[in-house]
Amino acid sequence: ETGVTQTPRHLVMGMTNKKSLKCEQHLGHNAMYWYKQSAKKPLELMFVYSLEERVENNSVPSRFSPECPNSSHLFLHLHTLQPEDSALYLCASSQGRGGNTEAFFGQGTRLTVV
Amino acid sequence: GENVEQHPSTLSVQEGDSAVIKCTYSDSASNYFPWYKQELGKGPQLIIDIRSNVGEKKDQRIAVTLNKTAKHFSLHITETQPEDSAVYFCAATYNNNDMRFGAGTRLTVKP
Repeated sequence: ETGVTQTPRHLVMGMTNKKSLKCEQHLGHNAMYWYKQSAKKPLELMFVYSLEERVENNSVPSRFSPECPNSSHLFLHLHTLQPEDSALYLCASSQGRGGNTEAFFGQGTRLTVV
Repeated sequence: GENVEQHPSTLSVQEGDSAVIKCTYSDSASNYFPWYKQELGKGPQLIIDIRSNVGEKKDQRIAVTLNKTAKHFSLHITETQPEDSAVYFCAATYNNNDMRFGAGTRLTVKP
């Protein structure tokens, strides 16, 4: 148990569907992140939230829409995705934003777009 | 921006041998270098990290070395065991903000 819980673990969706990924952290951290993990590629940072405010989105397509209602919860809303969006989506949290602190990752949501 | 290169992409060793994974980074201002281990079906977990004010850090069978002049750092695993089999990621800070990750190394330890 890492303290960061992601649901669902697996998701298959059509290109016209709308779905949401959920992340919850029980560590009292104040920064949360969404990463995309594709085969043989580095982890790609998608979104950063610090103190519930989005601070970076790294030019992610608008078909991905994050939401952070409080410091413990993070969502990634998905709509009209493409097959190339199929990947493992990882949520992470840390105490304070920035690269000098350990990031705790959830187990990820394996997304398949058909 | 920061660019982190990691080699090799796959590594196979015999149980009991040592394994070395190397990373280079581009941003000379980077000052925090963690290593993560990702087992099948799980998210990455921190196994060791090093900050720029030291050149080496060791934790039991795992050690990390850092050469700031050359901008490279390495993970060393000694006396490897089958349970060390996983994907390992290096990372470096970027402009003192968010981490950038290497592409990962799939380590296989053969019994």
